Amino acid sequence: QQQVKQSPQSLIVQKGGISIINCAYENTAFDYFPWYQQFPGKGPALLIAIRPDVSEKKEGRFTISFNKSAKQFSLHIMDSQPGDSATYFCAASRGGGATNKLIFGTGTLLAVQP
Amino acid sequence: DAGVIQSPRHEVTEMGQEVTLRCKPISGHDYLFWYRQTMMRGLELLIYFNNNVPIDDSGMPEDRFSAKMPNASFSTLKIQPSEPRDSAVYFCASSFTGPVNYGYTFGSGTRLTVV
Repeated sequence: QQQVKQSPQSLIVQKGGISIINCAYENTAFDYFPWYQQFPGKGPALLIAIRPDVSEKKEGRFTISFNKSAKQFSLHIMDSQPGDSATYFCAASRGGGATNKLIFGTGTLLAVQP
Repeated sequence: DAGVIQSPRHEVTEMGQEVTLRCKPISGHDYLFWYRQTMMRGLELLIYFNNNVPIDDSGMPEDRFSAKMPNASFSTLKIQPSEPRDSAVYFCASSFTGPVNYGYTFGSGTRLTVV
């Protein structure tokens, strides 16, 4: 119940295309769902996050879609750019997020081809 | 602020040796997390502290692993004795309790290789 399942494991997208990464969870007590972006040799960095009281959150080219009934959420990267090439992790926690332990998905390696 | 600072960046050690990883969280952050990243298991939470007190160490894999936080600006993760299967990238992250959720800030990690 503590797992967060992420797919696909890797993704290749053409420049200007849409990248979509999906995550699913089981624990209905989770109430905070962030996405982290990691470049080689660096630690993960918070990209965008959502709480279950909304179905979508958009920040620039990045959008989280959240389906509470299906216990799924996804990251959409519009107009993907080569600079977006990185590993993306979804995560979940309960009780607020920043001060509670995050359970991470297994990561998606995104490559955006020029 | 320089962010979360981890040292060393790389560590190569022989099986059986003691390894100590160090972390300096962001000033003012009251939570500190230690994660381990491997290709097979992804990012695993090992232990986390609140106000220097360990809150959850259920992710520490074995008694060979120990972590301390003697003060708000320093934490260590020690492996004794080290084994080849401990080879991984170890991340420290910090966060703070506040009205706005800024998430975790991760350090750049320590890549540990045990030969």
